[in-house]
Amino acid sequence: RKEVEQDPGPFNVPEGATVAFNCTYSNSASQSFFWYRQDCRKEPKLLMSVYSSGNEDGRFTAQLNRASQYISLLIRDSKLSDSATYLCVVNGGSGGYNKLIFGAGTRLAVHP
Amino acid sequence: EPEVTQTPSHQVTQMGQEVILRCVPISNHLYFYWYRQILGQKVEFLVSFYNNEISEKSEIFDDQFSVERPDGSNFTLKIRSTKLEDSAMYFCASSEGRGVADTQYFGPGTRLTVL
Repeated sequence: RKEVEQDPGPFNVPEGATVAFNCTYSNSASQSFFWYRQDCRKEPKLLMSVYSSGNEDGRFTAQLNRASQYISLLIRDSKLSDSATYLCVVNGGSGGYNKLIFGAGTRLAVHP
Repeated sequence: EPEVTQTPSHQVTQMGQEVILRCVPISNHLYFYWYRQILGQKVEFLVSFYNNEISEKSEIFDDQFSVERPDGSNFTLKIRSTKLEDSAMYFCASSEGRGVADTQYFGPGTRLTVL
């Protein structure tokens, strides 16, 4: 089983649409959860950390379900500038506290 | 806003040659990392470094790889004898601490091409 699993997409959506990404992780000892964004041939950039209570940052909402080992990201009112690859990231848990484990990413393409 | 910087942005080398990739982490950060991303694949952890020693490394980080903090600002990754499969984007990252809330900030990467 992959350590972090994501639907690769691509998700092709019109501007203004709401889109949701899901992710599952295999290490139940993981303690930190993140969504990063990566533009083509650029570095990953932190979009938001994910907490058990769920958290929202403007148009972005992240949820964590520890029991199911499932993380989600919801983007509302999509903009052209949201087009990127969204990376689900967890820390290595007891096997690697500072080590970040990346999913392969979900590609989003927002069109006019 | 402080940022991680990396040089060079692109390095081309011949198989078997040694390369050194350089990084300047954010100045008040204490934890440093190297990751790599082969084209079309996911980002993979290589090594973490704290207090002048490796705190963790992956299976990828074999004897061909080494890291060093030669002075107060630079953090380097050396590949002793490059192979074709070392061609990838190498990202340096740093974080202030190692707590669960400590975000890792990534540099822009060095694209390594091994011919």
